[in-house]
Amino acid sequence: EAGVAQSPRYKIIEKRQSVAFWCNPISGHATLYWYQQILGQGPKLLIQFQNNGVVDDSQLPKDRFSAERLKGVDSTLKIQPAKLEDSAVYLCASSLGNPEAFFGQGTRLTVV
Amino acid sequence: AQSVTQPDIHITVSEGASLELRCNYSYGATPYLFWYVQSPGQGLQLLLKYFSGDTLVQGIKGFEAEFKRSQSSFNLRKPSVHWSDAAEYFCAVGAYNAGNMLTFGGGTRLMVKP
Repeated sequence: EAGVAQSPRYKIIEKRQSVAFWCNPISGHATLYWYQQILGQGPKLLIQFQNNGVVDDSQLPKDRFSAERLKGVDSTLKIQPAKLEDSAVYLCASSLGNPEAFFGQGTRLTVV
Repeated sequence: AQSVTQPDIHITVSEGASLELRCNYSYGATPYLFWYVQSPGQGLQLLLKYFSGDTLVQGIKGFEAEFKRSQSSFNLRKPSVHWSDAAEYFCAVGAYNAGNMLTFGGGTRLMVKP
């Protein structure tokens, strides 16, 4: 069974630029999550989708972050404009609808 | 709101020695508990999970964890550590009525001495 796919693996951008991350969840998983993991910390939920609807985006900085999940499968997370403090690993995860989540390898973003 | 505390930021053990990583959670009902491991530059790999039933759960790579409701703990153990176990370990709690999202602890970095 294929796991959660994310791209790119690494990205370096200058502050005020924009960036987008892509995630393809495990086939059949209706729930998709984006987590932000700052160096030395545990992952923190940014947004949760159920199919193509948003369940929870209370921790998403909506002035600069946006996410969509068209057709209830793939998802894209965008940051515009990026700040230095956005440097982190962005993890995508999916689940069948219970709390057990399967994670992708993440995208490491460095903002300089 | 649910929360997770991992009191030990760093732990160093000798190869072959036993290991216990501590995890305390806060949640009003029966939680779903997880341990994940993260190697450098990698995503999170599930080691084991507790949903219900037997409070001692077995996981991959020889790890086990025990759910103690009275202590709100879910400590991870391994009887004999291998050098390849060096990594970051995260405890997480989830619940159906919290939208299934996971709340993670801050992690424990394990170093293994030869």
